[in-house]
Amino acid sequence: GIQVEQSPPDLILQEGANSTLRCNFSDSVNNLQWFHQNPWGQLINLFYIPSGTKQNGRLSATTVATERYSLLYISSSQTTDSGVYFCAVGVSNDYKLSFGAGTTVTVRA
Amino acid sequence: EAGVTQFPSHSVIEKGQTVTLRCDPISGHDNLYWYRRVMGKEIKFLLHFVKESKQDESGMPNNRFLAERTGGTYSTLKVQPAELEDSGVYFCASSQARGPTIQYFGAGTRLSVL
Repeated sequence: GIQVEQSPPDLILQEGANSTLRCNFSDSVNNLQWFHQNPWGQLINLFYIPSGTKQNGRLSATTVATERYSLLYISSSQTTDSGVYFCAVGVSNDYKLSFGAGTTVTVRA
Repeated sequence: EAGVTQFPSHSVIEKGQTVTLRCDPISGHDNLYWYRRVMGKEIKFLLHFVKESKQDESGMPNNRFLAERTGGTYSTLKVQPAELEDSGVYFCASSQARGPTIQYFGAGTRLSVL
């Protein structure tokens, strides 16, 4: 099956800092989602982005499908950004998502 | 519009007991998925329903797990008998259309088998 690798595994930020999370995948995809798992365990949809660039407030994401990677940018980080960020991908003719191991982000005040 | 709802939020049972998890998808979503994250591992796909039919159950770990979706609305996932390695968080997701599209996840059920 498809391999999904996220880096870095852990990230500690000072409030106000910017950061970039990366997701590499081993095959062509037609579905890519970024999630934020909050301290209560909920998986919050951030972006549905199989290709291209999107922005939502302080967050933005870029997927370069031809090079098999996606980036999630967090700008002016806040303590509420803490949690685990997951990248998940789907391939053609397959509905299921394959998840990366996640990046644990800790934002310190 | 209500999101994906899962019950219970947390369940603690003893090894050998039975547990049933429930998922209510977003209204109108024909596609329903179950995933789980066991300790130290990645979130893994379990199965996919289209309406009441099982489309893909390739991720079900063994025959102690039984998923149903009667009438194509809510779904249940029964574990019988539960084993220690079944502990983890079970997520349900739903999507509206066939093909690649956004999946919306519930808050998950944390299962602890003692």
